[in-house]
Amino acid sequence: DVQMTQSPSTLSASVGDRVTITCRASESVSSYLAWYQQKPGKVPNLLIYEASRSQTGDPSRFSGSGSGTEFTLTISSLQPDDFATYYCQQYNTWGTFGQGTKVEIK
Amino acid sequence: QLQLQESGPRLVKPSETLSLTCIVSGDSISSRGYYWGWIRQPPGKGLEWIGSIYYSGKTYYNPSLKSRVTISLDTSKNQFSLRLSSVTAADTAVYHCARPLQYAYGPFDSWGQGTLVTVSS
Repeated sequence: DVQMTQSPSTLSASVGDRVTITCRASESVSSYLAWYQQKPGKVPNLLIYEASRSQTGDPSRFSGSGSGTEFTLTISSLQPDDFATYYCQQYNTWGTFGQGTKVEIK
Repeated sequence: QLQLQESGPRLVKPSETLSLTCIVSGDSISSRGYYWGWIRQPPGKGLEWIGSIYYSGKTYYNPSLKSRVTISLDTSKNQFSLRLSSVTAADTAVYHCARPLQYAYGPFDSWGQGTLVTVSS
């Protein structure tokens, strides 16, 4: 099984900060990597797929990069609505999610 | 606009079979090229892909659950179903039906609201 490890597990940041979350795969998943945002009691929302393609299709403060085994999600300027938990998911071999990164208010 | 809605018992006894249905509106589950999937999330924990089914009926299951999972299509009702046998407390979770954007395993861009299923006697 492909294991996905996110770091950090929790991140404390302030509005306006640049935030980076890392996701590492135990083996190459090529670019079959997605990022989701989930708020408490809500359904996960797809942000990025194919490692760097924005789901919204618009210029966004959310960007993704990486390929193979190491990936990053960057929030260019953290907004109040961005405090949430973020999950990566590889969909190259079955579908495995990372354990999540909670972005908290500092 | 695609809408997905889970339905089924909220309480299941240990060792019994969990059965859920996803009612699809806004598109046909027979539409060529589409997959349909199930994902679960134990309370306070992360996401786990359970499995997916192609419009043709071909299924894809998480290897860790494969021996207990069955996903099927009901094209006459435009819905698809999940059956998980021999459940234990570890199967207590919010179960979501979802549609992947591209492949059987993801990424998932359309989700049902989810239903909490508790395994308890």
